[in-house]
Amino acid sequence: GAVVSQHPSRVICKSGTSVKIECRSLDFQATTMFWYRQFPKQSLMLMATSNEGSKATYEQGVEKDKFLINHASLTLSTLTVTSAHPEDSSFYICSARERDINNSPLHFGNGTRLTVT
Amino acid sequence: GNSVTQMEGPVTLSEEAFLTINCTYTATGYPSLFWYVQYPGEGLQLLLKATKADDKGSNKGFEATYRKETTSFHLEKGSVQVSDSAVYFCALSEGTGANNLFFGTGTRLTVIP
Repeated sequence: GAVVSQHPSRVICKSGTSVKIECRSLDFQATTMFWYRQFPKQSLMLMATSNEGSKATYEQGVEKDKFLINHASLTLSTLTVTSAHPEDSSFYICSARERDINNSPLHFGNGTRLTVT
Repeated sequence: GNSVTQMEGPVTLSEEAFLTINCTYTATGYPSLFWYVQYPGEGLQLLLKATKADDKGSNKGFEATYRKETTSFHLEKGSVQVSDSAVYFCALSEGTGANNLFFGTGTRLTVIP
């Protein structure tokens, strides 16, 4: 079945540095990928919708200059947390839908646990 | 607005016990409802879904019925197995497209032999 690979699974970085998280669709093409974030004991929240070849659409309250999203190909989207701070520590998950297949299910990555010290 | 509230957990059950994980929702319009499961070390997977009131979603022995009158979509399984140990997420989307999913907090289930 369709697989989404997310890398890294865990990352620890120092405050002020930037971290890049990759989301790849391994055996299908995805024109749209989604990035979610989950704080401890809270719901998974949609951060942004990543569109291949165009700018990402960010949800209200998500800073686009802080969370840079690039979707340069049909199989790869990246999320870069710039100038990370401890409050950015969270669990980040990506998902993707197969291109041109209406109502196909979302395929999720395994998630990335980011800890900013 | 849209939101999902689910049993917080964690839940620990013995093998063959009956499982219920409660989920209630708030939505504008007529949402579709989903249960996702995340097994250790894996990504979220769709477990089952229901797209309209009174629909019952079922898969792998799990069931959930879309109850509009109580705005609920409780997950049940009659006899759990150790392999069911995972985190379960209730979610809704507006319409059937499931692009923008609103998730609950997730419930960790541990089944002991």
